[in-house]
Amino acid sequence: DVKVTQSSRYLVKRTGEKVFLECVQDMDHENMFWYRQDPGLGLRLIYFSYDVKMKEKGDIPEGYSVSREKKERFSLILESASTNQTSMYLCASSHLWTGTSNQPQHFGDGTRLSIL
Amino acid sequence: ELKVEQNPLFLSMQEGKNYTIYCNYSTTSDRLYWYRQDPGKSLESLFVLLSNGAVKQEGRLMASLDTKARLSTLHITAAVHDLSATYFCAVEMNRDDKIIFGKGTRLHILP
Repeated sequence: DVKVTQSSRYLVKRTGEKVFLECVQDMDHENMFWYRQDPGLGLRLIYFSYDVKMKEKGDIPEGYSVSREKKERFSLILESASTNQTSMYLCASSHLWTGTSNQPQHFGDGTRLSIL
Repeated sequence: ELKVEQNPLFLSMQEGKNYTIYCNYSTTSDRLYWYRQDPGKSLESLFVLLSNGAVKQEGRLMASLDTKARLSTLHITAAVHDLSATYFCAVEMNRDDKIIFGKGTRLHILP
């Protein structure tokens, strides 16, 4: 079974702190993604990575950065946390598109982050 | 820019009824996914649709894809309470693996 593990289910931080959210997958997936989920807005893509040290901005990258030093690990960094970054953060991974078949993304359990 | 719109965003229905959830998207893609999310849980994959005319069925759920119309449907047949959840469609951009989600359809089935 594919396992995508996020380091924390719940996290409380203060405004201005630097926050790290960690995600690890064990299926040798090339792609990894970070989303945030907010009521009424669905899932919005923050960043994704298709290879080690490669990253692409999603739809809402402002205020975030990412790091992919190893294939299995993708970190989301809030450089200076703000209250509008209070949200549920979901990590996902998948294989690269092969042109003939595709598998879905596999999601972690999510990290509910509160910024006070 | 790829936009994905689901309709309706909320649906309350009685057991035994049929209903269809719609997912429209704005640019060319031939890979579409449907997910289910239960409250407090993560997303679970339901269907992967890879080509025009693709149809997949699992139990009371059936998904289809029309790439010419840029439309996917998720049809519920004879709904049961256990199908209450939020359903997301997600569309993958051609060739670059970026996946965009709709806002989700919250389905509430009354026993």
